[in-house]
Amino acid sequence: QVQLVQSGAEVKKPGASVKVSCKASGYTFTSYKMHWVRQAPGQGLEWMGLINPTGGNTRNAQKLQGRVTMTRDTSTSTVYMELSSLRSEDTAVYYCARDNQEWSFDIWGQGTMVTVSS
Amino acid sequence: QSALTQPASVSGSPGQSITISCTGTSSDVGGYKYVSWFQQHPGKAPKLMIYDVNNRPSGVSNRFSGSKSGNTASLTISGLQAEDEADYYCSSYTSSITWVFGGGTKLTVL
Repeated sequence: QVQLVQSGAEVKKPGASVKVSCKASGYTFTSYKMHWVRQAPGQGLEWMGLINPTGGNTRNAQKLQGRVTMTRDTSTSTVYMELSSLRSEDTAVYYCARDNQEWSFDIWGQGTMVTVSS
Repeated sequence: QSALTQPASVSGSPGQSITISCTGTSSDVGGYKYVSWFQQHPGKAPKLMIYDVNNRPSGVSNRFSGSKSGNTASLTISGLQAEDEADYYCSSYTSSITWVFGGGTKLTVL
């Protein structure tokens, strides 16, 4: 079945970087773009960015410009999201979500909790 | 890009219908058909309920429907059931080639 499996929880210190992975299975990896969405504790959803697995092109939210990097490995059907210069406000659950080719998010990963604390 | 505006909470009794609004601008909700709705239960990942304003993915109950008028989209849930109690989020594609979510609405089934 179609699924996205993300890497495990992370605890990082302020100023560090974190890299979250999202492994896709059950469909043709390069046929669907992938989004990253985060959710701070008790808060709403925030769109972070998008990667096209075919060419690796990305589009990021302006708020995160310069701090977020999205990459992919087509050999393992995995996308990665790296966030640098972490601050306490980056504490959140990070989700990858497949684009359904209609600019919506039809399949979601289970989420990865990233905690930024000194 | 400012978040889309949703009511913080709505409630209804089993069997009733409720509607959740999602207000944006002509640069997002009003300008494109790419409005979606998501259901999120506590501790779970969001689930796509409606895409392209009024399309239901396979497996989503026909009790869920979507519509749009101008800069405001709406999600209607008819025949409310206990399991519908959850947070609901709208999202829209924007003219900046980004996506924006609403602040979320907590649905309570009385």
